Amino acid sequence: RKEVEQDPGPFNVPEGATVAFNCTYSNSASQSFFWYRQDCRKEPKLLMSVYSSGNEDGRFTAQLNRASQYISLLIRDSKLSDSATYLCVLKNRDDKIIFGKGTRLHILP
Amino acid sequence: ETGVTQSPTHLIKTRGQQVTLRCSSQSGHNTVSWYQQALGQGPQFIFQYYREEENGRGNFPPRFSGLQFPNYSSELNVNALELDDSALYLCASSAPTTDTQYFGPGTRLTVL
Repeated sequence: RKEVEQDPGPFNVPEGATVAFNCTYSNSASQSFFWYRQDCRKEPKLLMSVYSSGNEDGRFTAQLNRASQYISLLIRDSKLSDSATYLCVLKNRDDKIIFGKGTRLHILP
Repeated sequence: ETGVTQSPTHLIKTRGQQVTLRCSSQSGHNTVSWYQQALGQGPQFIFQYYREEENGRGNFPPRFSGLQFPNYSSELNVNALELDDSALYLCASSAPTTDTQYFGPGTRLTVL
C-alpha cells in the first residue's frame, strides 16, 4: 500500500457546487497533516493544516479520521479560481514528509 | 510571495555531469527541505536540513547531497546526472516549532 493515496481526478465541477476529496495514508504513526494547492507550473502553497477536531477556513473544511487513516477536504460554493491540483501532505515521526500525487480540480463556468 | 528564492530558474545539463542548486530561506526560518517533482507527480522528499545538519532523508541515492549554511541558505548537489533526474526541484523553508512549509518557485532541471 502506498504511503499516501489520492484520486488523481480530474474532478470537473460546475461553479458554485460543493466538492470533496479524500486522501488515505498507511502509516498510523503519521503526526501532522496538511492540504496544499498547486497551480500549473507553480510551487505548492499551504491551503490549511488538518486537525483531529476538524477545521474550517472560509469555504474550505478539512477533517482527519485517524481510525480510518484518511483526511478530507471539502470546498463549498466553488469558484473558478479554485481550479488547481490539491496535494495531501503528511509528516511522520521521523520528520519524513510525504506528498500525495495530487487531485486535479477543474471548476467549470 | 513566500520570501524563499531559488537559483537558477532553469538549467540544462548532460548525463554524467554534476549540478548545484541554491535556495535562500525565508527570514527567521532555520529548516530547509528539498523536493523533486517529476511531471504529473507530487513532490518527492529528498532531505531536510536543520541548523546545518541533515535531519531526515527520503529514498534518494547518495549522489544527492546537500549543505546548509550558517545563514540557513542551502544547496542541493546532484552528481552523475541521469536522464530521470530531469524534474522541478523545490526548496521549502519552515520556522522553528512549526511544520508549515513555504516553497520557493523551483529550479527546472533538464538532463539530456
